[in-house]
Amino acid sequence: ETGVTQSPTHLIKTRGQQVTLRCSSQSGHNTVSWYQQALGQGPQFIFQYYREEENGRGNFPPRFSGLQFPNYSSELNVNALELDDSALYLCASRMENTEAFFGQGTRLTVV
Amino acid sequence: AQSVTQLGSHVSVSEGALVLLRCNYSSSVPPYLFWYVQYPNQGLQLLLKYTSAATLVKGINGFEAEFKKSETSFHLTKPSAHMRDAAEYFCAVSFYRTSYGKLTFGQGTILTVHP
Repeated sequence: ETGVTQSPTHLIKTRGQQVTLRCSSQSGHNTVSWYQQALGQGPQFIFQYYREEENGRGNFPPRFSGLQFPNYSSELNVNALELDDSALYLCASRMENTEAFFGQGTRLTVV
Repeated sequence: AQSVTQLGSHVSVSEGALVLLRCNYSSSVPPYLFWYVQYPNQGLQLLLKYTSAATLVKGINGFEAEFKKSETSFHLTKPSAHMRDAAEYFCAVSFYRTSYGKLTFGQGTILTVHP
């Protein structure tokens, strides 16, 4: 158990819809990152939030957006879903300059 | 740009045999290096990390890894494999000072342990 919880665990959406994934960080962690893991691939960095501000972004289009709240929980929003968005979405939290702790992930299927 | 290469997408060993999973990285600045394990339908669990202290790093479940700057490698080893070690393993690199701590992962190595 890492103390990082994600919801929901599984989700099925239709192409063109919007989805919101949620993450509750480990207590005391002020940095949260989101990763996309396609089937058979390593996780790819989407973006990171530090104290409610985005401070890093990977090679993902603007339809991927996020929020971090004062209690350091976080959301990942994806608009205009595409079939290729089907993946495991992982949330990771940490303090500055320490290792990241991952949640169990949300499995998103776009049909 | 930083990158990680894991040599061998699948490794198969017998129970009790040595486990060796290979990882090479490229970077222009000193890296932090990590190994994570992922069991089916689960998230990532940290096995061990290198953060510029001792070059031989010991982790959980009997795993260890050695940072070799001259070879730009960070291979993961375990002297004796157990059935419970069967999982997918990811090597990752991070540069806190230059890229806000994002992790760049390799493609993963699936470890199979047979009786």
